[in-house]
Amino acid sequence: DADVTQTPRNRITKTGKRIMLECSQTKGHDRMYWYRQDPGLGLRLIYYSFDVKDINKGEISDGYSVSRQAQAKFSLSLESAIPNQTALYFCATSGFGGLTDTQYFGPGTRLTVL
Amino acid sequence: SQQGEEDPQALSIQEGENATMNCSYKTSINNLQWYRQNSGRGLVHLILIRSNEREKHSGRLRVTLDTSKKSSSLLITASRAADTASYFCATDTNSGGSNYKLTFGKGTLLTVNP
Repeated sequence: DADVTQTPRNRITKTGKRIMLECSQTKGHDRMYWYRQDPGLGLRLIYYSFDVKDINKGEISDGYSVSRQAQAKFSLSLESAIPNQTALYFCATSGFGGLTDTQYFGPGTRLTVL
Repeated sequence: SQQGEEDPQALSIQEGENATMNCSYKTSINNLQWYRQNSGRGLVHLILIRSNEREKHSGRLRVTLDTSKKSSSLLITASRAADTASYFCATDTNSGGSNYKLTFGKGTLLTVNP
């Protein structure tokens, strides 16, 4: 079984709809991250959480919110989806270490907002 | 702005040749990592090099780091068609206190022709 799973894998929705993307991990890591990837722009950090009670905004958090329900679960919500949120979304995890550890990525969710 | 920038943006070589990708960054780092992404899939960690290291090897991969020039290179020797992927460098940035997060570059798309 995959260490980091994301659901759904693909989603098509309409402008204004609320969407939740879910991430689960079995690695026992404290740290979890949400990124979006757009062609030609690489990965950009949306939100990150260093433990259940610690949630931080990344460089592009506007229009997004997150919930860390447990150590193993980190959800990303789009309260009112808009077309420019069409992108590939990745969840990632890393262990605690003070300095940055290797990150382990989920398979991604392809979101299309019409 | 991106901390790491890969060069070239795209590289096409023949199977058996070596592939070299470069990464430049702007601020001091503790470590630099390289990741690989097959089309539309999650990133996979390849190698991490710490700021006090100058060269590191892993199988057919060789990474160098020059902190005075704020640059790194990834060399893939004896390339195979299966090496076709996008390659990203990632540098750690301090997000406050002892907490660090990764900043990814835009990637180099490597195509290895059979």
